[in-house]
Amino acid sequence: AQSVTQPDIHITVSEGASLELRCNYSYGATPYLFWYVQSPGQGLQLLLKYFSGDTLVQGIKGFEAEFKRSQSSFNLRKPSVHWSDAAEYFCATTPGGYQKVTFGIGTKLQVIP
Amino acid sequence: DVKVTQSSRYLVKRTGEKVFLECVQDMDHENMFWYRQDPGLGLRLIYFSYDVKMKEKGDIPEGYSVSREKKERFSLILESASTNQTSMYLCASSAQGELSSGNTIYFGEGSWLTVV
Repeated sequence: AQSVTQPDIHITVSEGASLELRCNYSYGATPYLFWYVQSPGQGLQLLLKYFSGDTLVQGIKGFEAEFKRSQSSFNLRKPSVHWSDAAEYFCATTPGGYQKVTFGIGTKLQVIP
Repeated sequence: DVKVTQSSRYLVKRTGEKVFLECVQDMDHENMFWYRQDPGLGLRLIYFSYDVKMKEKGDIPEGYSVSREKKERFSLILESASTNQTSMYLCASSAQGELSSGNTIYFGEGSWLTVV
């Protein structure tokens, strides 16, 4: 079965610093990959998604992610973090674009002044 | 804007009680979902409905049932609540068709359930 692994449960970065959140997938064929963000007390919001084509995907709120087949990774990046980016981030996948999505365990981002 | 509304944000129930969590979406979506979110476990799919009166088990359906009598409403039912069902429950909805064709899953704000 398809799955994603988020190796970092908590990450702390300084405001203005760059950010990279890691996600590794396990799936034989090309997976469909997503990044979602959950602000405190809120539901999940889609940041970006990858299905095929250009391996560098741009999302909302200044985020991007790069699909690397050789490393089975889909890491999320942002060049300069803002205090409002403090949230929990979930990597997710589904085979073939079907609607039953499997989520990672999440990475909680703390932003310090 | 798509709105997925979970009417109860915070509930406290006693062990053995029957619990209903209600979810309503306003975008005429065919698909609706119930997820459970726990620290260190992420989101796990409980049940999925792809049409009125149609349902499919997710990864952790034990102890739960669902009802979808109307397209816009999807209810999660705990027949006899237990303390290990204390969790955050998230409802979601999406249009029919693959996610690769532009569909997106929209989430509600969640319902925090504590079973004492």
